[in-house]
Amino acid sequence: AQSVTQLGSHVSVSEGALVLLRCNYSSSVPPYLFWYVQYPNQGLQLLLKYTSAATLVKGINGFEAEFKKSETSFHLTKPSAHMSDAAEYFCAVSGQTGANNLFFGTGTRLTVIP
Amino acid sequence: DADVTQTPRNRITKTGKRIMLECSQTKGHDRMYWYRQDPGLGLRLIYYSFDVKDINKGEISDGYSVSRQAQAKFSLSLESAIPNQTALYFCATSDLAGDGQPQHFGDGTRLSIL
Repeated sequence: AQSVTQLGSHVSVSEGALVLLRCNYSSSVPPYLFWYVQYPNQGLQLLLKYTSAATLVKGINGFEAEFKKSETSFHLTKPSAHMSDAAEYFCAVSGQTGANNLFFGTGTRLTVIP
Repeated sequence: DADVTQTPRNRITKTGKRIMLECSQTKGHDRMYWYRQDPGLGLRLIYYSFDVKDINKGEISDGYSVSRQAQAKFSLSLESAIPNQTALYFCATSDLAGDGQPQHFGDGTRLSIL
């Protein structure tokens, strides 16, 4: 079984500050991990994914995430927040089960303060 | 044009009515999914389909049914809508080629049941 926990339903950062959104996963099989972003009135857009290649994954819009098996974590970071980063972010996990079903966390709403 | 199109984008209806939400895709993907999103709960899987002849229940299928009319079309029905089915509904697609494939989302249907 797979599940994801996102710590912090709301995160606020100042423009130019580091963004850190936390995600811990549970999986009975080697996981695939994803971060999606949702802007208002839109669907989910893929930011990045981990599929057992490099543990540090770079995504779009300057975001990156590091897979840490020992900590069962896949935290999302960005060195310098922009106003346009304000959105809701979802971490998701799937496993090597053939089903490719995603299990989502409850989301973190990021606010960027000017 | 969007790769994954959902219609309608918004719908308000009354308790007991039958409702159909439609999804079409131009990505050529075999796998299609329906999710609902509720504040604070993230996305939960309702049904998924790997091809026209393959339909599977997800985490929260009670009260819903689906139809895969063609590779490109996957509709979700609420036979007798109830207020706690008020939510944001998303359709998604993914490629059949192996595990770890990202899912691609439509812009959602906001459904309100009075």
